[in-house]
Amino acid sequence: GAVVSQHPSRVICKSGTSVKIECRSLDFQATTMFWYRQFPKQSLMLMATSNEGSKATYEQGVEKDKFLINHASLTLSTLTVTSAHPEDSSFYICSALELGGASGYTFGSGTRLTVV
Amino acid sequence: DAKTTQPPSMDCAEGRAANLPCNHSTISGNEYVYWYRQIHSQGPQYIIHGLKNNETNEMASLIITEDRKSSTLILPHATLRDTAVYYCIVSNSGAGSYQLTFGKGTKLSVIP
Repeated sequence: GAVVSQHPSRVICKSGTSVKIECRSLDFQATTMFWYRQFPKQSLMLMATSNEGSKATYEQGVEKDKFLINHASLTLSTLTVTSAHPEDSSFYICSALELGGASGYTFGSGTRLTVV
Repeated sequence: DAKTTQPPSMDCAEGRAANLPCNHSTISGNEYVYWYRQIHSQGPQYIIHGLKNNETNEMASLIITEDRKSSTLILPHATLRDTAVYYCIVSNSGAGSYQLTFGKGTKLSVIP
């Protein structure tokens, strides 16, 4: 079945630095990928929709200048958390849809970001 | 997208069937019912989806009522590894890309 690889699985960074998270569709092409954020004991919250070759669409309340999304190819989307602060510590998850596939969206395994 | 309502938690004895209900009374004609689950600290895993007919795969069965206002996910023989948060989502996946909006889900605990 469809596989989405997300890297890194865990990252610790200092306040003020930037962190890049990669999301790859391994065996299919994904024109659209989604980025979610999940705080402890809460559900997944959609942050943005990443469209190959065009600008991402951000959900209300998500700062586009802080969470930079680049979807440069049909198999790769990246999320960069710029000038990270401790309140950005969270579980970040990407997902991709294989159009015509039978299994809906496939999710990455998530990235645990801790900002110290 | 239509909103869903699920019980916050359920217990199930190991080896027994787990029946997870979901209400989606405002579902529209072109919206599918999707079920995903999330095991602690992992990304969500697709389970099954359907439009109006009952569906079955190697993981589970999905029973959708005739009026489509509710559905039940059935795990026929629950194991300890089925302990997870189960999300019922309705979304229009008829053409092109579509969004998945997650509610709070049901935390299923499978008990030995």
